[in-house]
Amino acid sequence: GAVVSQHPSWVICKSGTSVKIECRSLDFQATTMFWYRQFPKQSLMLMATSNEGSKATYEQGVEKDKFLINHASLTLSTLTVTSAHPEDSSFYICSAETSGRAYEQYFGPGTRLTVT
Amino acid sequence: GQQVMQIPQYQHVQEGEDFTTYCNSSTTLSNIQWYKQRPGGHPVFLIQLVKSGEVKKQKRLTFQFGEAKKNSSLHITATQTTDVGTYFCAGPKSNYQLIWGAGTKLIIKP
Repeated sequence: GAVVSQHPSWVICKSGTSVKIECRSLDFQATTMFWYRQFPKQSLMLMATSNEGSKATYEQGVEKDKFLINHASLTLSTLTVTSAHPEDSSFYICSAETSGRAYEQYFGPGTRLTVT
Repeated sequence: GQQVMQIPQYQHVQEGEDFTTYCNSSTTLSNIQWYKQRPGGHPVFLIQLVKSGEVKKQKRLTFQFGEAKKNSSLHITATQTTDVGTYFCAGPKSNYQLIWGAGTKLIIKP
């Protein structure tokens, strides 16, 4: 149980285009989903927290207009990187928290974004 | 602000040697979690410790939570090649967000 999927697993896009990444909880309802970014050889950096049906809460330094997050249902959250630039190339990982399991998060497999 | 420090950053061991990573929080934690990330993969939840002084074992892995609930350690006995990866500790912030340690990369010497 507690499986989280992400799509796509990798994407290459041209500078200036937008990319949407989906995060789905497959066998449970996720009241809260988290989006992380990981640079090579570094720890995960929390970008934003999203609760179903409400606006995402962004961490300091994360541009909300550039990284659009939509948590439309209890099983789906999307991250859209708008007007992507090469510096946005990174590994994006989502996680989901199941209600009743305080602080225990289940991670998606990640999406490798390369902006050329 | 609240910080979670993790050391060492890297540890090189011969296969069969032991490995330990330490995690220290600037504030008292209600719980601490440990994750393992294989190269190229995503973090996988290993365990959560809740009680002061708690010790839990998973086969060759031993997890400890300090009496003051501000530090924790993960010890692996007799490392194997399957243990390779980065081990992260994470503690909760308010609103069930996690603060992550920087991770300790376990490298098995050839």
